[in-house]
Amino acid sequence: GAVVSQHPSRVICKSGTSVKIECRSLDFQATTMFWYRQFPKQSLMLMATSNEGSKATYEQGVEKDKFLINHASLTLSTLTVTSAHPEDSSFYICSARGALGSDQPQHFGDGTRLSIL
Amino acid sequence: GENVEQHPSTLSVQEGDSAVIKCTYSDSASNYFPWYKQELGKRPQLIIDIRSDVGEKKDQRIAVTLNKTAKHFSLHITETQPEDSAVYFCAASRGGGNKLTFGTGTQLKVEL
Repeated sequence: GAVVSQHPSRVICKSGTSVKIECRSLDFQATTMFWYRQFPKQSLMLMATSNEGSKATYEQGVEKDKFLINHASLTLSTLTVTSAHPEDSSFYICSARGALGSDQPQHFGDGTRLSIL
Repeated sequence: GENVEQHPSTLSVQEGDSAVIKCTYSDSASNYFPWYKQELGKRPQLIIDIRSDVGEKKDQRIAVTLNKTAKHFSLHITETQPEDSAVYFCAASRGGGNKLTFGTGTQLKVEL
């Protein structure tokens, strides 16, 4: 149980393209999803917290107009990297928390490797 | 906000030896401390976690200890095996499902 699916697993695209990443909870309802970014050989840095039906909460220094987050249902959150540039190349990972409350552990997706040429 | 420091950044041990990774946190309100194992290009996998009402937890070869007063917690792996080689991250949060602050990671290499 508690499976989180993230798609696509890898994206390679040209500079200026917008890229959408999906994060789905397959066997549970996720009221809260988190989006992390990880540069090579570095730690995971939280970008934003996404709550179903409300606006995402962004961490300091993360541009909300650059990284659009939508959490329209209890099983799906999307991250759109708008007008991506080479410096946006990174490993993006989502996690989801069940609807039973804030004490439930997070379950991670497989991540998306984004490469901007 | 929370700040989590992790040491060492790299650790090499011989197969069968023990490995210890240490973390400190700054937010006294943090009460959930998970440890993740991440292989290259893959998702972090939860290997063990501990809550602030417990001082120690063990699962086969893996154990975690927590010192709330000193605000530090440690991961202990005994009888290490080559498949234990990976990057290990500690993390802290207020509640298991709230945002996690990760440590900087430890590259563990178990040599034959």
